Amino acid sequence: KNEVEQSPQNLTAQEGEFITINCSYSVGISALHWLQQHPGGGIVSLFMLSSGKKKHGRLTATINIQEKHSSLHITASHPRDSAVYICAVMVGGAQKLVFGQGTRLTINP
Amino acid sequence: SQTIHQWPATLVQPVGSPLSLECTVEGTSNPNLYWYRQAAGRGLQLLFYSVGIGQISSEVPQNLSASRPQDRQFILSSKKLLLSDSGFYLCAWARLVTEAFFGQGTRLTVV
Repeated sequence: KNEVEQSPQNLTAQEGEFITINCSYSVGISALHWLQQHPGGGIVSLFMLSSGKKKHGRLTATINIQEKHSSLHITASHPRDSAVYICAVMVGGAQKLVFGQGTRLTINP
Repeated sequence: SQTIHQWPATLVQPVGSPLSLECTVEGTSNPNLYWYRQAAGRGLQLLFYSVGIGQISSEVPQNLSASRPQDRQFILSSKKLLLSDSGFYLCAWARLVTEAFFGQGTRLTVV
């Protein structure tokens, strides 16, 4: 079983819809990252969380340490939000950064 | 500011040839460094990580090796490439509770 599981694997929605991507992990972590990967492969860091909630523009990320679960929310989605969204966790003891499989998001106009 | 450099961006190599991909970090010291591979249509798989000079942890047995000869330099190597080594290779650095930084990636095609 992967240490980091994301759902859904693929998500298609209409412009304006509220989007939620989920991430569950099975190990002790020191931090959780939400990342965005565009078709060329480049990766952009969106959020780093160790507790609570962070918001940047239309994006919000939350983490529940007890439940080992995090969510990424996008409000008023737009076609330019189309990308692969990746959850990655820093495994505390080993200091290794492990990626989920990613969620491919497509927003149609 | 912290930056990470990875090169080359694309590479086409024949089967059986050697490989050396280099990643260097600026603006920080003693970073944790990571190498990942992404096969077509798949997620990013952790290959190697290093928490210090000369310290390498391998996650997946394979045809590759990694070295960290200097604090801010991480090298991914192979003595003889296989077709299955084709993919997108990504270098990253992070610490326990800090932001993660990523290189631009190297798209390797073994022919």
